[in-house]
Amino acid sequence: GAGVSQSPSNKVTEKGKDVELRCDPISGHTALYWYRQSLGQGLEFLIYFQGNSAPDKSGLPSDRFSAERTGGSVSTLTIQRTQQEDSAVYLCASSSDTYEQYFGPGTRLTVT
Amino acid sequence: RKEVEQDPGPFNVPEGATVAFNCTYSNSASQSFFWYRQDCRKEPKLLMSVYSSGNEDGRFTAQLNRASQYISLLIRDSKLSDSATYLCVVSHSPGTYKYIFGTGTRLKVLA
Repeated sequence: GAGVSQSPSNKVTEKGKDVELRCDPISGHTALYWYRQSLGQGLEFLIYFQGNSAPDKSGLPSDRFSAERTGGSVSTLTIQRTQQEDSAVYLCASSSDTYEQYFGPGTRLTVT
Repeated sequence: RKEVEQDPGPFNVPEGATVAFNCTYSNSASQSFFWYRQDCRKEPKLLMSVYSSGNEDGRFTAQLNRASQYISLLIRDSKLSDSATYLCVVSHSPGTYKYIFGTGTRLKVLA
């Protein structure tokens, strides 16, 4: 079946601009996660959504970052007033009751 | 102390060798454990879950030691295609979907 998809695959933006990253999870998966990974670094947890519960936003690095998940499916991560330190690969993952996460291919964000 | 710690490596091993990685975790209440594999500039992919009784999948064996708070991954008969970074993943707390990823152990299998 279809896996997790993300768009765009690459995004180059100027410092100070807003960006939106999209994630389509695996159909039926109740949990959705956003992580980011800087070059040569580990995965940094940003936020996760679980069913209809309030999202866990504890990993968001600043109030410039926000995310929403509409209809329990598609999610959008928004970064306002981008900074150069926001450059990273943003990874989305989804999981079902088995807790095993399946990742999308990521969005490579470059802030110039 | 980091919540999840791994030796970054690299582990350079010849083809056919057996190699083992350990990963320590700090939260004794963690209940779910996984090993993921990540190839260069690719997304992580689930390699295997780690069960209390240990589990094996072909050449790969994963074990959990709750008393010492570590999990291990053993790879037998290493292949060139096993070259990757292996990520240890631990649940943040019971009943949660939140996970902590280790920074990974890099493996290079040499011809």
